[in-house]
Amino acid sequence: QKEVEQNSGPLSVPEGAIASLNCTYSDRGSQSFFWYRQYSGKSPELIMFIYSNGDKEDGRFTAQLNKASQYVSLLIRDSQPSDSATYLCAPYDNNAGNMLTFGGGTRLMVKP
Amino acid sequence: NAGVTQTPKFQVLKTGQSMTLQCAQDMNHNSMYWYRQDPGMGLRLIYYSASEGTTDKGEVPNGYNVSRLNKREFSLRLESAAPSQTSVYFCASSEEAGGPHEQYFGPGTRLTVT
Repeated sequence: QKEVEQNSGPLSVPEGAIASLNCTYSDRGSQSFFWYRQYSGKSPELIMFIYSNGDKEDGRFTAQLNKASQYVSLLIRDSQPSDSATYLCAPYDNNAGNMLTFGGGTRLMVKP
Repeated sequence: NAGVTQTPKFQVLKTGQSMTLQCAQDMNHNSMYWYRQDPGMGLRLIYYSASEGTTDKGEVPNGYNVSRLNKREFSLRLESAAPSQTSVYFCASSEEAGGPHEQYFGPGTRLTVT
């Protein structure tokens, strides 16, 4: 059974600060990771996909992957109230294909 | 393009009743998925269909059946609803099952079983 762990939060940060969201996973076969964002009452939407060790940057978002430690994080710079949402992590491995196992999500609150 | 659509948006059932949740996508995707989402539990895969004509069980298939009617449509049926099936149900689709592909989600169906 794959396990994907996320702190449920809420993680509260002031506007303009850096928000750091973490995800740990048990399956060493996981090669890459999806980060989805879900606004309250809405459906998830993809914000980042990272497949190699190190950092991947996309605008204010940076994903960091450390396969040896089985740890992936999402940093949001210059956090805005519009970033307030739940962030879901999902590892991808070649054996399971797109049968993703999602973490429980971290709820982020950005206070003006 | 509408993307992924789901009907109904809301539903209340009594224990033992049956119903079918409908899902359709207009992106010509091969793969489709059904998830349920309970508070604090993230998304759990119920069933998926890698391509037209195939379906497979996910993490929590008990109490559900699915039909991949054609490439566009993938329905989820509850034969005898139970309070434990109270949840938000999301349908999703992706280009194909192999290789990491973005999944596009529908707006969800909020189901309450009393």
